[in-house]
Amino acid sequence: QSALTQPASVSGSPGQSITIPCTGTSSDVGGYNYVSWYQQHPGKAPKLLIYAVSARPAGVSNRFSGFKSGNTASLTISGLQAEDEADYFCDSYTSSNTLDVFGTGTKVTVL
Amino acid sequence: QVQLVESGGGSVKPGGSLRLSCAASGFTFTDYYMSWIRQAPGKGLEWVSYISYTGDIIHYADSVKGRFTISRDNTKNAVYLQMNSLTAEDTAVYYCAIPRRQWGQGTLVTVSA
Repeated sequence: QSALTQPASVSGSPGQSITIPCTGTSSDVGGYNYVSWYQQHPGKAPKLLIYAVSARPAGVSNRFSGFKSGNTASLTISGLQAEDEADYFCDSYTSSNTLDVFGTGTKVTVL
Repeated sequence: QVQLVESGGGSVKPGGSLRLSCAASGFTFTDYYMSWIRQAPGKGLEWVSYISYTGDIIHYADSVKGRFTISRDNTKNAVYLQMNSLTAEDTAVYYCAIPRRQWGQGTLVTVSA
């Protein structure tokens, strides 16, 4: 099972919006509406931002939004803030025996 | 709220064993599959294993098959990972997770002579 493809890094200025793509196949991202996004600060546990493609857990800022088109899911961070500087990764259900496949991870830098 | 608390990590010599535990609370445990996922230092995420609601469906990554055993105790709301024949390549932070939902804070496993 190959990892989902994410850009290694994305950057933006405070207040800007950035979008992180996560590309898979019809066996994972494209085939099911079970894509999650996580934020991970250095040395910390991953924090769930988005589940089921676009749903936000209670307490997560509405600056984070999710979307899917075909085999690519995307996370958009609006109104970029310094605290958003972290690693982000996607996670999709897959029809393979692994149940989950993860993205390669994207480092977000706030300029 | 949903909480997953891992324990049991530590330092072990190659060939040794460890048993990780994950205590779950704040949700109906038997409604969810549970997974173990690991992250080696400076590396990406690697799915390790998952177990179904009652434990009748279990799968392992090829890298741990035959060495690791996942189990759950629905009376205690807990999931376990027995790790045997550990090698340096197993060094990682191990996370207990509800697939595609909540993760625990992780427990560090270090395999070194």
